[in-house]
Amino acid sequence: AQTVTQSQPEMSVQEAETVTLSCTYDTSESDYYLFWYKQPPSRQMILVIRQEAYKQQNATENRFSVNFQKAAKSFSLKISDSQLGDAAMYFCAYKYGGSQGNLIFGKGTKLSVKP
Amino acid sequence: DGGITQSPKYLFRKEGQNVTLSCEQNLNHDAMYWYRQDPGQGLRLIYYSQIVNDFQKGDIAEGYSVSREKKESFPLTVTSAQKNPTAFYLCASRARPTEGYEQYFGPGTRLTVT
Repeated sequence: AQTVTQSQPEMSVQEAETVTLSCTYDTSESDYYLFWYKQPPSRQMILVIRQEAYKQQNATENRFSVNFQKAAKSFSLKISDSQLGDAAMYFCAYKYGGSQGNLIFGKGTKLSVKP
Repeated sequence: DGGITQSPKYLFRKEGQNVTLSCEQNLNHDAMYWYRQDPGQGLRLIYYSQIVNDFQKGDIAEGYSVSREKKESFPLTVTSAQKNPTAFYLCASRARPTEGYEQYFGPGTRLTVT
């Protein structure tokens, strides 16, 4: 069975600095998707970034980028130029179940941003 | 605007009562999901539906039931058999594979049972 592990329950970063959130996963599949979702205090889940396993290039969305290491089964999220609005819970998720597209989530990392 | 709505935002019930949480989407997605979120637990899958009139149990389906009579609607009933129903419940719908499998979430319902 697939598992997703986020080893950092809490992280803190200074405004304008860079922070990296870790995620590892376990799977026997060769083709899959990985996601980072953000949950701010409003509790609305928002997609931050998506990575398709067959793509070698790391995904980037503005200040957010990933370091996808397929052999190591690692999928870390880098937030550059951190802003106060980045403070939130961040969840790593793995898509399993083929075309069904079900997700399994890690337990989350709570990110605080200090002014 | 397309999106997912959940109502109500807060729900209070007495122990032993069934309660139904509403989830509606106008994104024209076939697949819909219900998750439960507890502190420190992440999101856990309760039920999912890939198409109208069909649904499957997720990892923690005991004490819950669903229906999928319309594409737009996927209500969740929390029954009196659910031993610890107080939690935050999230509904989601999923984009097609050609659109990257993204799941879109509603704003959630906080259920408190006393």
